[in-house]
Amino acid sequence: AQSVTQPDIHITVSEGASLELRCNYSYGATPYLFWYVQSPGQGLQLLLKYFSGDTLVQGIKGFEAEFKRSQSSFNLRKPSVHWSDAAEYFCAVGAKGGATNKLIFGTGTLLAVQP
Amino acid sequence: DAGVIQSPRHEVTEMGQEVTLRCKPISGHNSLFWYRQTMMRGLELLIYFNNNVPIDDSGMPEDRFSAKMPNASFSTLKIQPSEPRDSAVYFCASSPGTINEQFFGPGTRLTVL
Repeated sequence: AQSVTQPDIHITVSEGASLELRCNYSYGATPYLFWYVQSPGQGLQLLLKYFSGDTLVQGIKGFEAEFKRSQSSFNLRKPSVHWSDAAEYFCAVGAKGGATNKLIFGTGTLLAVQP
Repeated sequence: DAGVIQSPRHEVTEMGQEVTLRCKPISGHNSLFWYRQTMMRGLELLIYFNNNVPIDDSGMPEDRFSAKMPNASFSTLKIQPSEPRDSAVYFCASSPGTINEQFFGPGTRLTVL
């Protein structure tokens, strides 16, 4: 069955520190992979996506993610966190060339940023 | 581009009343998704449409929920009768289809008293 696991429910980092949010997926086919961010009271905004090619993907707001097929992972990173990055982050997987264009979302990681 | 538009942004109603949530997808997108988000259950896909046709409604919680997409630029999610446990934020998202990337609206926060 298709699934996405975000093992960290809640993470706290200090402003200026580096960040890595974990995402593991289970999918039979070659996946499309996404990271979304949700600020309080807002909808989900796409941070970045991986479809093919270079496994290191750059996104908005200084975020990047690396697709590692051997580990079935798509971890999100940022070298220096800003207070405005406090939000909830969702990893999602979709089918490449499949009959459905549903996305399977993880349960989210809530990021808190300490001054 | 105006993005996905949802209305109303907030809805407060009493138990037993009918609630209708509205969504206008991004022009040219041929897939539309309705999600519900709660603290307890997270983000749940309720139903999605391709080219105005419902494809998968397995996430609709019960018969009190119904969704329609009469044309490519408009969809509704109706709850009748509403119950307090329906209180949640309801999101609409649209997608250009084959690429899978979904664009979310700002959501409707529903409170059923």
